[in-house]
Amino acid sequence: GAVVSQHPSRVICKSGTSVKIECRSLDFQATTMFWYRQFPKKSLMLMATSNEGSKATYEQGVEKDKFLINHASLTLSTLTVTSAHPEDSSFYICSASFSSLSSYEQYFGPGTRLTVT
Amino acid sequence: GNSVTQMEGPVTLSEEAFLTINCTYTATGYPSLFWYVQYPGEGLQLLLKATKADDKGSNKGFEATYRKETTSFHLEKGSVQVSDSAVYFCALGTSYGKLTFGQGTILTVHP
Repeated sequence: GAVVSQHPSRVICKSGTSVKIECRSLDFQATTMFWYRQFPKKSLMLMATSNEGSKATYEQGVEKDKFLINHASLTLSTLTVTSAHPEDSSFYICSASFSSLSSYEQYFGPGTRLTVT
Repeated sequence: GNSVTQMEGPVTLSEEAFLTINCTYTATGYPSLFWYVQYPGEGLQLLLKATKADDKGSNKGFEATYRKETTSFHLEKGSVQVSDSAVYFCALGTSYGKLTFGQGTILTVHP
């Protein structure tokens, strides 16, 4: 159990366009979802934390107007990269957790490779 | 702030060799410590965890002990298999479930 999916797995877009990435918890209700960005040979960098029905909490240095996060239901969160530029090219990973006993138990999606040309 | 430092990879071993991947951390308070594994084409999976000093986490033959005196959480396995080839991430967990990750260590095990 505790499967998280992401869609798409890979996306290529042109500079200036917007891209939406979906993160779904398939077999559990996720009250908290996290969005990470991973650079080559670097660790995962937490971008934001979102709780269902409320605004996302962004980490310092992450532009909230550029990376729009919506957590509309207990099984779906979306990350929209607006007006994408080549420097936004990266690997984006989401995770989901239950809110109850162990919020450290994050279940990760397989990631989305974004390439901006 | 919080940080996690892992040994640089990649690590290449022969099957049945002993594995150690070093991990040290810097944190305020009393964090929990984790090892996550990412197999090719898959998401990160929790491998093991320890929530307080001197705890030992273990799973699938891997183990790591939370050493507060040396601020370390080194991952070990006595006899690796080809199927253990993956990327291993050490992580530190603090309040609100946030995780701080190390940079990851690529492990390749040859037959």
